[in-house]
Amino acid sequence: NAGVTQTPKFQVLKTGQSMTLQCAQDMNHNSMYWYRQDPGMGLRLIYYSASEGTTDKGEVPNGYNVSRLNKREFSLRLESAAPSQTSVYFCASSVVAREAFFGQGTRLTVV
Amino acid sequence: AQSVTQLDSQVPVFEEAPVELRCNYSSSVSVYLFWYVQYPNQGLQLLLKYLSGSTLVKGINGFEAEFNKSQTSFHLRKPSVHISDTAEYFCAVRPYNQGGKLIFGQGTELSVKP
Repeated sequence: NAGVTQTPKFQVLKTGQSMTLQCAQDMNHNSMYWYRQDPGMGLRLIYYSASEGTTDKGEVPNGYNVSRLNKREFSLRLESAAPSQTSVYFCASSVVAREAFFGQGTRLTVV
Repeated sequence: AQSVTQLDSQVPVFEEAPVELRCNYSSSVSVYLFWYVQYPNQGLQLLLKYLSGSTLVKGINGFEAEFNKSQTSFHLRKPSVHISDTAEYFCAVRPYNQGGKLIFGQGTELSVKP
């Protein structure tokens, strides 16, 4: 049972490049989330998907897009990366009203 | 809207001493409450949760927390800490009826010294 799997684990991008962060869960959870973690700011919600076919903006959605491909997969896309998007990105999943389970994170550096 | 405030960004403590990490929240609706721990270069792991029932909840690694609705607090405690408890701790809330959104505080770095 893998839980929540994120790829890649590390990535370096040049300003203006695009990339997609992949996330998959095998726990049959309805809800999935993307967070970014920056020092002293905790985890801030970028986008979430309460169920397959729905997505909603979180606290810091600008510069990002998401796709809930199916119940298992929720991807995060940076269309034109900026240095301000240097961060650690976490994907998570849950059933409603229960705790969330997190992936191991993607460390992204934009130069 | 909801918000979570962790009142201490860093807490240094000696091994075997007690510790309390403070968490206050603001919400216009009822919430579920969680504490997570993050060890260096790892993801987040659930320590404990309050969903309903007894306001004193026990979690893994000897941690416990008490939900105080009137003070909108959910402080985390451990009577005797170990070096291995050194980590970052996050308090989080989930509103009852907002699609499962989970909102985090800024985190508290617990540093246990020998």
